[in-house]
Amino acid sequence: GAGVSQSPSNKVTEKGKDVELRCDPISGHTALYWYRQSLGQGLEFLIYFQGNSAPDKSGLPSDRFSAERTGGSVSTLTIQRTQQEDSAVYLCASSFFRGYGYTFGSGTRLTVV
Amino acid sequence: DQQVKQNSPSLSVQEGRISILNCDYTNSMFDYFLWYKKYPAEGPTFLISISSIKDKNEDGRFTVFLNKSAKHLSLHIVPSQPGDSAVYFCAASATQSPGARDDKIIFGKGTRLHILP
Repeated sequence: GAGVSQSPSNKVTEKGKDVELRCDPISGHTALYWYRQSLGQGLEFLIYFQGNSAPDKSGLPSDRFSAERTGGSVSTLTIQRTQQEDSAVYLCASSFFRGYGYTFGSGTRLTVV
Repeated sequence: DQQVKQNSPSLSVQEGRISILNCDYTNSMFDYFLWYKKYPAEGPTFLISISSIKDKNEDGRFTVFLNKSAKHLSLHIVPSQPGDSAVYFCAASATQSPGARDDKIIFGKGTRLHILP
């Protein structure tokens, strides 16, 4: 597609429920990144994919967080047993040349009530 | 441990004047620096970048200055316009560091710029 597409744009969920966030990167971009922005915070790195593999998962906050990427394209970030501190904007980005700048999606605003 | 620091959470500048946003970094392996701009309810968009082999890069009203010895960079916007009101993120990556597996970009916390009429 023309840009990075994320869905849903907004998600309100009850504490303890599981959520899935989707990212559709720019066609041909092999690198895909997940970041999150909590209130008053910067962009916190979560996980990086090169193709379908995730060489760097160092930013995932806990084992409740997981992500996968299939076909070198769409990625899904799953949060199990959501907690209120998971409330944030989850941003996906993709790039062709690693480290030289990303194109971000508009993000998914997750609210855990 | 914050590797990229933006110590000013917000900045207000009169329209037409120069806006200067500052950023400090701690990792000497960083060799590529970027500024992103973010409007509410949108993802960050790339604004301008600079490689560590340069000390200045200019693009229209935007200029980024890099002082490697001080591990400091700044973004100058002149003249400032109302549409420049946004959150600006400073970011850095270590593209050439040995063993870098993904060259992920590290972001600061952002500076909210308000352009006053």
